[in-house]
Order: sequence, then C-alpha cells, then structure tokens
Amino acid sequence: KQEVTQIPAALSVPEGENLVLNCSFTDSAIYNLQWFRQDPGKGLTSLLLIQSSQREQTSGRLNASLDKSSGRSTLYIAASQPGDSATYLCAVGTGNQFYFGTGTSLTVIP
Amino acid sequence: GAVVSQHPSRVICKSGTSVKIECRSLDFQATTMFWYRQFPKQSLMLMATSNEGSKATYEQGVEKDKFLINHASLTLSTLTVTSAHPEDSSFYICSAFLGPGNTEAFFGQGTRLTVV
Repeated sequence: KQEVTQIPAALSVPEGENLVLNCSFTDSAIYNLQWFRQDPGKGLTSLLLIQSSQREQTSGRLNASLDKSSGRSTLYIAASQPGDSATYLCAVGTGNQFYFGTGTSLTVIP
Repeated sequence: GAVVSQHPSRVICKSGTSVKIECRSLDFQATTMFWYRQFPKQSLMLMATSNEGSKATYEQGVEKDKFLINHASLTLSTLTVTSAHPEDSSFYICSAFLGPGNTEAFFGQGTRLTVV
C-alpha cells in the first residue's frame, strides 16, 4: 500500500522568504502527483498536477518537482506572502484513487 | 475549470439520526466519484469509490451499512451517514475525475459533520 509522508509537519517563515515543502512516497508506480492547498475548515484547492512522465510543473510562484525513482516531490514557493498561509497536501495518484500525506501547515508572518 | 459542488458545507445532527451529503459535478459527467474522510490533524482517507449505476466499493474498515453511497446519475453521488454517533464527527469530502483517462482530481468544498 502506498504511504505518503510530508515533512515538515509545520513551517513558519517571514514574508518574502522562499520555501520548500517535501513529499515522499513508498511506491514509485504512480500515475501522477497532485499538490493541494487546504484552508481551515475548507475543501481542497488543486495547485499543481504532475504526470508520472513529467519532472516539474510551474504555476506563478509555485514550482513542483517529481523524482519518481526516489519517491520524492517538492513544492517550491517563491517570495512567500501571508495569503499563502494554509495546509499543503500532496497526493499520489494511482489512476483510480489518491493517497494523501498528512500535510504541511504553513504560516507566513507579515 | 471543472467544479465539484458539495452540500451542505456544515451540518450538526443528533446522535442516532441520519445525514445525507450530496456531491455534484457541475459541468462534467463523473462516472466515478470518491468519498474521503479527514479527522483533525490527520490526512484524508479514502472511504469508498462510487460508481454510477452500480454498488460502491468500500475501503477496508469502512462500514457499508453505516455509510450508504448512492450514485444514481452521472452528476450526483450521495453519502448518507446512518444512525450517526459522535465518533462519526469528521470532515467528509468528495472528488471526481473529469473522465476516463483523465486522472486530475477535483474536490468538493467538504462537509463538516458534527454529531451531538
């Protein structure tokens, strides 16, 4: 069974700092990997989707990378803003379901 | 982009009653929808896979008689929590893929269920 781990569990940074969130998974046989943002008490907002054949995806200040062979993905956030404060979840897709990590709670201090 | 709408967003019910949560795909047809549950400080866990026109597939440890799933149309799946207990209090969220071969998931807004 796929196990997904996210490190760190919580992160607090000053505004403007660049940061990296980590996601690791145990089974490299994946279809894709998706990064989500979850605000308190809310649903999930999809940030980036990386197909298994891709190495990275970029959207604005966000860049996600995927190293399938080593079972790792990173989410890079450039020039962080207070509005980026949320929990970030990575999810590994097997084609018919997703396995989620426990998330990284990010706080960006103004 | 594709939208998945979930209703209600919050519900409080008394112990022993049943609660129905709806998940709709607004601008696409979803032959398969997924129901997840999230406890505080924990990750989302898949409860069941809902298939239009057939019985849902439940994950190990999920009681099918307690969590009734109906996927009667290509745009609607419902989750009914029957005889709810306080330990069923959780955040429930549904998701759907755009279609066959498309593995990007879109999620509903989630439902916060509190059983008192």
